[in-house]
Amino acid sequence: AQSVTQLGSHVSVSEGALVLLRCNYSSSVPPYLFWYVQYPNQGLQLLLKYTSAATLVKGINGFEAEFKKSETSFHLTKPSAHMSDAAEYFCAVSEASGTYKYIFGTGTRLKVLA
Amino acid sequence: GAVVSQHPSRVICKSGTSVKIECRSLDFQATTMFWYRQFPKKSLMLMATSNEGSKATYEQGVEKDKFLINHASLTLSTLTVTSAHPEDSSFYICSASLAGGTGELFFGEGSRLTVL
Repeated sequence: AQSVTQLGSHVSVSEGALVLLRCNYSSSVPPYLFWYVQYPNQGLQLLLKYTSAATLVKGINGFEAEFKKSETSFHLTKPSAHMSDAAEYFCAVSEASGTYKYIFGTGTRLKVLA
Repeated sequence: GAVVSQHPSRVICKSGTSVKIECRSLDFQATTMFWYRQFPKKSLMLMATSNEGSKATYEQGVEKDKFLINHASLTLSTLTVTSAHPEDSSFYICSASLAGGTGELFFGEGSRLTVL
């Protein structure tokens, strides 16, 4: 069975500091991995996705993530946090067979301090 | 492209009434849509998979008679919360996939249901 673990339900960083949001997954088959961002009372917006191509994936708004199979991780990073990055971030995994059935992590709320 | 829209974005209803939430794929055909429920400060819980022209597949623990899902066309799926109670209050989000896509889901804006 697939599962996703996001370490840290809340992360605070100073504006301009590195953002690191952790995601570990378990999957018995090659996975597709995703990071989504959610602003209050809104749906989810795709930040980036890993679909078995390059292991370092670049997304929107300066975010990137690296797929590390040996560590079963897909951590999200951004070199310099901006106030507008404050939001809830979700990591998700689905089977690469294209079922589109996602399993979401519990989310990490990012707070950016001025 | 690949825009999914939900309506209404907010709805308040009295206990015992039924509420319908619509999910539309605006610029593509979605043979499969998914309905999620999100509790406050919690993750998204998959409720059901909606397939065009067939019965929805519900996740374990989700009452199919309480949450009626209809996917009558390739661009519209509806979720009806029947005989709503305060515990049904939640944020409901739909998503859809592109046929032949790379596994990416496109999400609606969400619908916040408050049952008084």
